[in-house]
Amino acid sequence: EPEVTQTPSHQVTQMGQEVILRCVPISNHLYFYWYRQILGQKVEFLVSFYNNEISEKSEIFDDQFSVERPDGSNFTLKIRSTKLEDSAMYFCASSGPLANYGYTFGSGTRLTVV
Amino acid sequence: TQLLEQSPQFLSIQEGENLTVYCNSSSVFSSLQWYRQEPGEGPVLLVTVVTGGEVKKLKRLTFQFGDARKDSSLHITAAQPGDTGLYLCAGPDYNNNDMRFGAGTRLTVKP
Repeated sequence: EPEVTQTPSHQVTQMGQEVILRCVPISNHLYFYWYRQILGQKVEFLVSFYNNEISEKSEIFDDQFSVERPDGSNFTLKIRSTKLEDSAMYFCASSGPLANYGYTFGSGTRLTVV
Repeated sequence: TQLLEQSPQFLSIQEGENLTVYCNSSSVFSSLQWYRQEPGEGPVLLVTVVTGGEVKKLKRLTFQFGDARKDSSLHITAAQPGDTGLYLCAGPDYNNNDMRFGAGTRLTVKP
């Protein structure tokens, strides 16, 4: 069964540092997403990406966040200057060929900002 | 943004019991999806319902989409400890089809 792969599984970073979370979506999927889940809270939409550009972003996805698809397989989320409140599980997902097909999620990266 | 309200928030039952969890909204959705999430893992898609009144079965799980496409339910028959997890419903945002999630029902099935 194809899967979405996320690395690293855990990341601890100092406040103010930059982090890059990496994802390898399913190869024939066309739509890519980042979600986050603060411990004990709901899964929150961050950003969607299609055709090499952002389709939609939430109010959480401010100027500190960026996404990139640097090659044909990777999809990254960068947080430029991490804050304590960025601590959460970050999930990458992909879907296709239509936007509202079921999403396949990765296992997530647990980001802890200290 | 349409809100999805899930109830109950928590549910703890004994193995063998039946249960139903709900996903409600005041908005109409073109489709709804149900996911199950285990601790430390990403959500896993269980089903997508598209047609009003649609019923889908997945072994002991029965999913129903309301006639007006504003709500959905998940019924589990003879629950097992392996059913324990966070059950999430999700629907496409009106403006852009990106999935938005409810807060989930956390189910615990005790042996």
